[in-house]
Amino acid sequence: RKEVEQDPGPFNVPEGATVAFNCTYSNSASQSFFWYRQDCRKEPKLLMSVYSSGNEDGRFTAQLNRASQYISLLIRDSKLSDSATYLCVVAESSASKIIFGSGTRLSIRP
Amino acid sequence: DAGVIQSPRHEVTEMGQEVTLRCKPISGHNSLFWYRQTMMRGLELLIYFNNNVPIDDSGMPEDRFSAKMPNASFSTLKIQPSEPRDSAVYFCASSRDRSTDTQYFGPGTRLTVL
Repeated sequence: RKEVEQDPGPFNVPEGATVAFNCTYSNSASQSFFWYRQDCRKEPKLLMSVYSSGNEDGRFTAQLNRASQYISLLIRDSKLSDSATYLCVVAESSASKIIFGSGTRLSIRP
Repeated sequence: DAGVIQSPRHEVTEMGQEVTLRCKPISGHNSLFWYRQTMMRGLELLIYFNNNVPIDDSGMPEDRFSAKMPNASFSTLKIQPSEPRDSAVYFCASSRDRSTDTQYFGPGTRLTVL
């Protein structure tokens, strides 16, 4: 089993739709969680950190479920510019270990 | 502020040649990471430095790969000899302190080994 798993997609949804991705992780000692966004032929960039209590940034909501060992990303009122690959990242500071998921590809259609 | 700087942006070389990739992290950042990204394997961490010291190099594929960080503002990733399967995009990233801090990526070096 991979340490961090994501549904590769692609998710193809119409503009304005709500879309959600999940990411599961295997190491219960993981401490920090992030969502990064990567546009085609570009570098990954931080979208948002994921806090235990859940957090929201505009149309984006991230949640963490430690019991079931997954994090989620919800995008409301999706825009064409949201088309990208979304990478889930799990880190464990005690082991200085950081693992990127393989990414979920999202395509928003007009 | 300048972000992470990588050079060259593109490199095409022949099998067996030595390849050196360069990275300048964001000033003041204490951690530096080298990643490799391919369609098949996704984004893989190769090596992680903290305060110029290698902390985790378990992702370095084999002896053909080596990385150095002689000072806080410069790192190199060397492949010698290069092979076609090394073709990938190599990213350098830096973070303020630990591996769990936000990482800022450079634009990457697209390497093609013929």
